[in-house]
Amino acid sequence: AQSVTQLGSHVSVSEGALVLLRCNYSSSVPPYLFWYVQYPNQGLQLLLKYTSAATLVKGINGFEAEFKKSETSFHLTKPSAHMSDAAEYFCAAMAGGTSYGKLTFGQGTILTVHP
Amino acid sequence: GAGVSQSPSNKVTEKGKDVELRCDPISGHTALYWYRQSLGQGLEFLIYFQGNSAPDKSGLPSDRFSAERTGGSVSTLTIQRTQQEDSAVYLCASSLGTGPSGYTFGSGTRLTVV
Repeated sequence: AQSVTQLGSHVSVSEGALVLLRCNYSSSVPPYLFWYVQYPNQGLQLLLKYTSAATLVKGINGFEAEFKKSETSFHLTKPSAHMSDAAEYFCAAMAGGTSYGKLTFGQGTILTVHP
Repeated sequence: GAGVSQSPSNKVTEKGKDVELRCDPISGHTALYWYRQSLGQGLEFLIYFQGNSAPDKSGLPSDRFSAERTGGSVSTLTIQRTQQEDSAVYLCASSLGTGPSGYTFGSGTRLTVV
């Protein structure tokens, strides 16, 4: 079965510092991969997605992620954190076959940005 | 509409009562999904509808949970005889088909069972 692991339930960075949120997936076949962001009392907003085209994917708000098949990873980065980036981030995978269409989510990483 | 709309935004109910949660997807989106977000369990898939196909109900946790989608648009998630463990945020999402286009989520319904 598909599983998604986010390393670190909480990440804290200073404003202007690099943001790195880690995500690993387990699948014999590379799935489609997504990063979502959730602000308090809101639904999830799509940041970016990997759909087997370019391995480096650029998303909204200056975020990007790189798909590395050899490491089964899809880590999210942003060169310079902004206070408005503080939120919870979810990595998700969509497999093929009978699971096509369904997303499997990681447990989420809460990002805190300090002034 | 411009986004996925869910109602009510908050619902407090007594244990044993039935509740209905409503989702209005984006117009033209053929796929509709329900997820549950709770502390300690993360985001769990519940059910999804794709066009006129039979829904995938594989994520429903018990037979107290059911969902329907009328006219390929509005969906209602019904929980019968609510239990305290049903307390969670119920998120609805819609997408164009079931491919990797990514979902658009609603803001959710926060259900509290007392």
